[in-house]
Amino acid sequence: DIQMTQSPPSLSASLGDKVTITCQASQNINKYIAWYQQKPGKAPRLLIRYTSTLESGTPSRFSGSGSGRDYSFSISNVESEDIASYYCLQYDNLWTFGGGTKLELK
Amino acid sequence: QVTLKESGPGILQPSHTLSLTCSFSGFSLSTYGMGVSWIRQPSGKGLEWLASIWWNGNTYNNPSLKSRLTVSKDTSNNQAFLKVTSVDTADTATYYCAHTRIIRGRGYFDYWGQGVMVTVSS
Repeated sequence: DIQMTQSPPSLSASLGDKVTITCQASQNINKYIAWYQQKPGKAPRLLIRYTSTLESGTPSRFSGSGSGRDYSFSISNVESEDIASYYCLQYDNLWTFGGGTKLELK
Repeated sequence: QVTLKESGPGILQPSHTLSLTCSFSGFSLSTYGMGVSWIRQPSGKGLEWLASIWWNGNTYNNPSLKSRLTVSKDTSNNQAFLKVTSVDTADTATYYCAHTRIIRGRGYFDYWGQGVMVTVSS
């Protein structure tokens, strides 16, 4: 089974900051990683797939990068609507989510 | 437009079998590359993939729950189903179904249902 270690578990940012979340896989996942945003009481929303491909409707301030086992997700110029939890998902071999990162306003 | 909606019992007793239905529109589970997956989330905790079923009938289960899960589909009625046997309080969660699409040979979850809360309690 592939394990996904996501960090940090929580993050505090001011509006306009850049924040970065990382996910490390227990083995090479060949860039098959997606990133989701989840707001309280709502279903997750797909933001990015295949490491860096933005889904339709995803603002350009969101970005992703990485390869092999190590991946990152960034939000530049954090806006109030970005306050949410974020999850990575590896889909190279079955599916495994990271533990999540809760983004809060400082 | 792809939409999905989960339905279930709401509450059930320990040791019973949980049966969930995912009713969807905007795609067909007989179309190449289409699938439906089940994911759950205990209140205040993270997401856990449970099972997936593909257009060709192939199914995949989370190895940690494998023997307790059965996923199936009714293509004619645009529904997918999940059964979880021998439930206990640890199965209390919001259960989601998600449209699963294959691109570059791998499937990811793009559209999600609103989720259905399931409580296991005596």
